[in-house]
Amino acid sequence: DAGVIQSPRHEVTEMGQEVTLRCKPISGHNSLFWYRQTMMRGLELLIYFNNNVPIDDSGMPEDRFSAKMPNASFSTLKIQPSEPRDSAVYFCASKLNRAWFFGPGTRLTVL
Amino acid sequence: GDSVTQMEGPVTLSEEAFLTINCTYTATGYPSLFWYVQYPGEGLQLLLKATKADDKGSNKGFEATYRKETTSFHLEKGSVQVSDSAVYFCALIEQAGTALIFGKGTTLSVSS
Repeated sequence: DAGVIQSPRHEVTEMGQEVTLRCKPISGHNSLFWYRQTMMRGLELLIYFNNNVPIDDSGMPEDRFSAKMPNASFSTLKIQPSEPRDSAVYFCASKLNRAWFFGPGTRLTVL
Repeated sequence: GDSVTQMEGPVTLSEEAFLTINCTYTATGYPSLFWYVQYPGEGLQLLLKATKADDKGSNKGFEATYRKETTSFHLEKGSVQVSDSAVYFCALIEQAGTALIFGKGTTLSVSS
């Protein structure tokens, strides 16, 4: 298995633009998580899905952020409009039972 | 709510030095505890874990013991190598929990 796949690996955009981050979890894993990593706040949980259903989105910072999981093999995290303070590394992780597997992350820079 | 506190970095050591990275936690129940490692440009990888009090997790020469009385899970290694340079994250999950809760991470830099 290729592990958790995230794309793009790097994204540079200008303030106000829409940004879409993508994640393909490991096949058969029934839970998917989006985390954000910054120097100031460390790793923060944004949202997680169980069997494609959003369970807890209390970590999503504001309405500019949205996440979807249309099927078991794909999830997106969208920021619209983006702001410089959204610059961070965004990680996707999938889980089966009590084992988590993290993707390589997307480094987002908003200018 | 549940939380994890780990020592501020960066930690800079010479090769073969002894390593300790402190981690303490706050939880309402009896969580499982983890150490994850992030090498440059990569995602997080599980390093070791412990699921109950007095358990010792170990892997690749790293060890950590679940201390309920001090709510701690300090990471140790007797002799670090340059290849151990990475960011180390302490994390927990409650028994009935679903999501990992992480500390802010500690950067370790080992020089030869």
